[in-house]
Amino acid sequence: EPEVTQTPSHQVTQMGQEVILRCVPISNHLYFYWYRQILGQKVEFLVSFYNNEISEKSEIFDDQFSVERPDGSNFTLKIRSTKLEDSAMYFCASSEGGNNYGYTFGSGTRLTVV
Amino acid sequence: AQSVTQLDSHVSVSEGTPVLLRCNYSSSYSPSLFWYVQHPNKGLQLLLKYTSAATLVKGINGFEAEFKKSETSFHLTKPSAHMSDAAEYFCVVSERDSNYQLIWGAGTKLIIKP
Repeated sequence: EPEVTQTPSHQVTQMGQEVILRCVPISNHLYFYWYRQILGQKVEFLVSFYNNEISEKSEIFDDQFSVERPDGSNFTLKIRSTKLEDSAMYFCASSEGGNNYGYTFGSGTRLTVV
Repeated sequence: AQSVTQLDSHVSVSEGTPVLLRCNYSSSYSPSLFWYVQHPNKGLQLLLKYTSAATLVKGINGFEAEFKKSETSFHLTKPSAHMSDAAEYFCVVSERDSNYQLIWGAGTKLIIKP
């Protein structure tokens, strides 16, 4: 069964450092997403990406965040200057069509900012 | 505005007994509803989805859910619990008004007693 692959599974970084979280979506999917889950809180939408541009973003997704699809397979989330409150599990997802198709999620990257 | 309430943070059942995980939602228009499951150290896996077809939806691993518009509920059930069902379960809603972003419940941890 096709999978969404996320690397690394765990990342520890110092406050103020830049981090890049990587995702390989399912190859024939066209829509890509990032969600995050702060420990003990609900899963929250960050951003959706389609046709090489951001189609939707939440209030959380401020100027410190950016996404990129640098080649035909990877989809990355960059946090320029990490803060303690960025510590969370970050999930990448992809879908074949519009949002009602249901997404395929990766296993997540646990980011810890110290 | 959409919201999802999962009425129980933890549900504990004995192996072989029925499972009921409760979910209520609020939505302005016809929502799409999903149940996702997260096993420890794994990604978010789609169990089933409702998108305005049959109100009783069958998913993977013997789970099913019934969409009840009058009660704004989408409870998840399984006739007989298995040890491998121990996981966290998320009820999720999306609708056209919010560009089909996924709005997540807080999750219900299902504990299976031997």
